[in-house]
Amino acid sequence: AQTVTQSQPEMSVQEAETVTLSCTYDTSESDYYLFWYKQPPSRQMILVIRQEAYKQQNATENRFSVNFQKAAKSFSLKISDSQLGDAAMYFCAYFPYNNNDMRFGAGTRLTVKP
Amino acid sequence: DAGVIQSPRHEVTEMGQEVTLRCKPISGHDYLFWYRQTMMRGLELLIYFNNNVPIDDSGMPEDRFSAKMPNASFSTLKIQPSEPRDSAVYFCASRRSRVGEQYFGPGTRLTVT
Repeated sequence: AQTVTQSQPEMSVQEAETVTLSCTYDTSESDYYLFWYKQPPSRQMILVIRQEAYKQQNATENRFSVNFQKAAKSFSLKISDSQLGDAAMYFCAYFPYNNNDMRFGAGTRLTVKP
Repeated sequence: DAGVIQSPRHEVTEMGQEVTLRCKPISGHDYLFWYRQTMMRGLELLIYFNNNVPIDDSGMPEDRFSAKMPNASFSTLKIQPSEPRDSAVYFCASRRSRVGEQYFGPGTRLTVT
């Protein structure tokens, strides 16, 4: 079974500080994508960042970066210079090339304190 | 691009009534997905289409649920008859190709009383 685990149900960070959200996954596949989605109170699922498993270089999108450890099956999200607008649920997602069943973790609720 | 469009945004109905949720994918996207989000089960894939053809409906909970995609720009998810346990947020998502980013609509919050 391919599962995604987010071990932190809730996280809190001070505005302008850095926070890291954890994600691990279980798979026997070698080719897949990993994603982080953000879901603010509006419910909209917003794609934050993606990582192809064959790429060794960690993906970066402005203040968002990942630490992808393929051997450890770990895919953490680092948010630098946190802003109030970053407060949301964050979902880690795993997507293998060979099927279309994108698997999501249970989510981490991030609170940003002013 | 307007993104994935879903309607209605909110739906409140009584048990036993028919409910139809609608989705317009991003133009040019060949894949369309229906998900359900609940507190207990998180995000679950219900069914997905490729080029308007249903490919995998193994996630559809039971025969009360049905989905169609009559053309490349429109899909429906129907629940008949609806039950209180169907209350959830239903998302539609689309993707351009077999691999790549998947974009979600704003979701429909369904409440069945």
